[in-house]
Amino acid sequence: RKEVEQDPGPFNVPEGATVAFNCTYSNSASQSFFWYRQDCRKEPKLLMSVYSSGNEDGRFTAQLNRASQYISLLIRDSKLSDSATYLCVVNVQGKSTFGDGTTLTVKP
Amino acid sequence: GAVVSQHPSWVICKSGTSVKIECRSLDFQATTMFWYRQFPKQSLMLMATSNEGSKATYEQGVEKDKFLINHASLTLSTLTVTSAHPEDSSFYICSANMIFREQYFGPGTRLTVT
Repeated sequence: RKEVEQDPGPFNVPEGATVAFNCTYSNSASQSFFWYRQDCRKEPKLLMSVYSSGNEDGRFTAQLNRASQYISLLIRDSKLSDSATYLCVVNVQGKSTFGDGTTLTVKP
Repeated sequence: GAVVSQHPSWVICKSGTSVKIECRSLDFQATTMFWYRQFPKQSLMLMATSNEGSKATYEQGVEKDKFLINHASLTLSTLTVTSAHPEDSSFYICSANMIFREQYFGPGTRLTVT
């Protein structure tokens, strides 16, 4: 079993749609959690950190469930510019493990 | 967010030559730097963890004599791909962070070995 598993995707949605990505992790000692966005042929960029209390940044909402070892990312009112690969990242003792990523394509 | 630079951004070299890639954290001192490689349509694969002043920790399957890492200061780490071969062609990305904090990635180096 992979340490970090994400929805395989790809997700193809129309503009304005709401889309949710899920991620599970196997190491219960994981300490910090993040969502990154990676555009084609570019480096990953931090989208947001994920906290147990949940956090929201504009159209993006991230949630962490430590008991279930589950992380989610919700994107509301999808824009064309949201098309990218979204990476779930789990950090243990300063070392990050990346999920394989979920590709999102938002279409007009 | 913090800034990490990487140089060069792309390089083409002949088989058998060595290539050095630099990674710098520009506005913070990074306790740890990481080196990844990424093949097309695949996720990032951690190659090694670089700590200032000590030897790098390599992931299983990564040849330490082929991928030389030097972490000379809290703001600079270098990766040297020695005797490069076409199968080493990949996207190499470094990242830096302060412990338990998020990672910031360099823009990556696209290596093509002919």
